Amino acid sequence: LAKTTQPISMDSYEGQEVNITCSHNNIATNDYITWYQQFPSQGPRFIIQGYKTKVTNEVASLFIPADRKSSTLSLPRVSLSDTAVYYCLVGQSSASKIIFGSGTRLSIRP
Amino acid sequence: DAGITQSPRHKVTETGTPVTLRCHQTENHRYMYWYRQDPGHGLRLIHYSYGVKDTDKGEVSDGYSVSRSKTEDFLLTLESATSSQTSVYFCAISESRDGAETQYFGPGTRLLVL
Repeated sequence: LAKTTQPISMDSYEGQEVNITCSHNNIATNDYITWYQQFPSQGPRFIIQGYKTKVTNEVASLFIPADRKSSTLSLPRVSLSDTAVYYCLVGQSSASKIIFGSGTRLSIRP
Repeated sequence: DAGITQSPRHKVTETGTPVTLRCHQTENHRYMYWYRQDPGHGLRLIHYSYGVKDTDKGEVSDGYSVSRSKTEDFLLTLESATSSQTSVYFCAISESRDGAETQYFGPGTRLLVL
């Protein structure tokens, strides 16, 4: 089972770009990398998902190097509302192969 | 929110009593999941279902049972609640998205076992 390692917490300021890196050294060939965002008292919310190289959507970008042993979630020009816990997940379609780590608590200051 | 609702949203119960939490979805998703989340921890999978009457255990299944008699409902039962089961419980479904499965979560049920 592919486990992930990410920083426990990060701080930044409004308007800055924030990059959160996740390590997943034993990622399997068929595994996708997915990032979720969770606000207090809410369920996690899907942000972005990728398999290799770079993926971009209206919210974030996901950078995956060729060896796929890590990935970086990039949030452009963060605001106070981006304060949340961010989870990196590696897995396939079967839930038994998906493990949530402790996530990264991102705090954005004015 | 992928049409997921959970009931009740909050519950206080006493040790030793049975508790059933309900997850309801309206979009005919095959896969449904129950997670628990405790302070300082990520989500931990309790049980999941891959179809009507088809369920399997997750990483923290002890003390919990599930049932899925119809596609839209996935029930989580604590046969005899313990204080260690005080937690926030999230239900999720998964949806195929560009060749990979993505999970969508319900609003959660906050359970306090006294």
